Formats: sequence, C-alpha cells, structure tokens
Amino acid sequence: NAGVTQTPKFQVLKTGQSMTLQCAQDMNHNSMYWYRQDPGMGLRLIYYSASEGTTDKGEVPNGYNVSRLNKREFSLRLESAAPSQTSVYFCASSDRRHHTDTQYFGPGTRLTVL
Amino acid sequence: EDKVVQSPLSLVVHEGDTVTLNCSYEVTNFRSLLWYKQEKKAPTFLFMLTSSGIEKKSGRLSSILDKKELFSILNITATQTGDSAVYLCAVEEFNTGKLIFGQGTTLQVKP
Repeated sequence: NAGVTQTPKFQVLKTGQSMTLQCAQDMNHNSMYWYRQDPGMGLRLIYYSASEGTTDKGEVPNGYNVSRLNKREFSLRLESAAPSQTSVYFCASSDRRHHTDTQYFGPGTRLTVL
Repeated sequence: EDKVVQSPLSLVVHEGDTVTLNCSYEVTNFRSLLWYKQEKKAPTFLFMLTSSGIEKKSGRLSSILDKKELFSILNITATQTGDSAVYLCAVEEFNTGKLIFGQGTTLQVKP
C-alpha cells in the first residue's frame, strides 16, 4: 500500500500565482486533513474533511480552499499565493470509526512563494 | 483557546543519556494525546494515550499521560544518534478528530 501520497514534492511560485496541492490515500479512510508546518510552530491545521462531501476550516484557513473530490482524494488550492504561504504542507488521513486509529501523514510538499 | 505546549524546545545530549520530554495541554474536548517523531520528513506515529497512569512502551521509548494535571511525558533511555529528531505532541479533539500540535522538541544526540 502507498498510504498517503502528495504531489508535487517541491514547488516554487511567484506572488499572485495559483496552484493546487494534491493528496490521495488508499487506506479507505473517512477523514482527511491539510496541515502546514513552519519553523518552531509545529503543525497547524488548515482544513479538514470528516467524511466524503464535507469540509471544515481549521486553525489557519485564510488564503486556501479545499475540495474533497471523492473518498480517496483531498486537494488544497492557493488562489493567489503570498510569501506568507511559504511552508511545508502535509496531508493526513485517519479512520475515526476505530478509537485506536491515528492520523497517517503524507511525505509533504515544500512550497516557496517568491 | 485550546493549546498544547512542549518543553524544552530543544535539547542536546550524548549517546547513552536518558531524556524526558514534556507536553502540557488545555483542550476542551480531549479524546487522546499522541506523540510523533519527525526526521526531516513526515511525522511518524509513536504512541497514542487515552487513559491516565497507563504507561505505553516501545523499546527504549515510553510515555505516560496524566489527565488530572493535563500533561504527558515521553522518555527515551540509552539514547542513540538515530533518536535525533523533532518530537511532536498532539491532542486529538473528540468530535472532529482534529489534532492540535505543540511546537515540537528538537532533540540532538551527539556521539
């Protein structure tokens, strides 16, 4: 199993450009999450999707949009990138039907906005 | 506001030392506390703690939760250079499954 996959691994954008980060999981998980990680700040939740067809804001949603395309895929879009969005982005998924299940993380996308 | 605070933020030890990492939290709808290890890539799961006073152990790593005092500790005994990493503590919210992360503790183990 591939687990959680993310594309691209690296991306450089100019201010004002748009792009979509892709995430897919093959574990049949219901819930999916997007986090960003900045130096010294741990991971912060941007958006999450508790189940197919639903999305909700996390701690830092401004400047982002998401789409839960189907059960497997959850994309994150930056409509007009800003230097403050330079970060490492992680996608995660979990199956919350089981109390002992945890979140599994993808390899991350390193985004630089110039 | 919900928050998770880790201490220390960074730590340098020598191989063979024992370290204790701390995590305190204030989260309204607590479901579980998780520890992750991150080595320049995605966080990898170490422990999930839901009940007070029950130690979870995996090799040289162990962790325990105190739900009355709202903290957890992660112990690493006989440290090795391969233990060098950022250790993340996170609290899972009950209804949403959202994880609230602490800042992380950067551990460097010198030979």
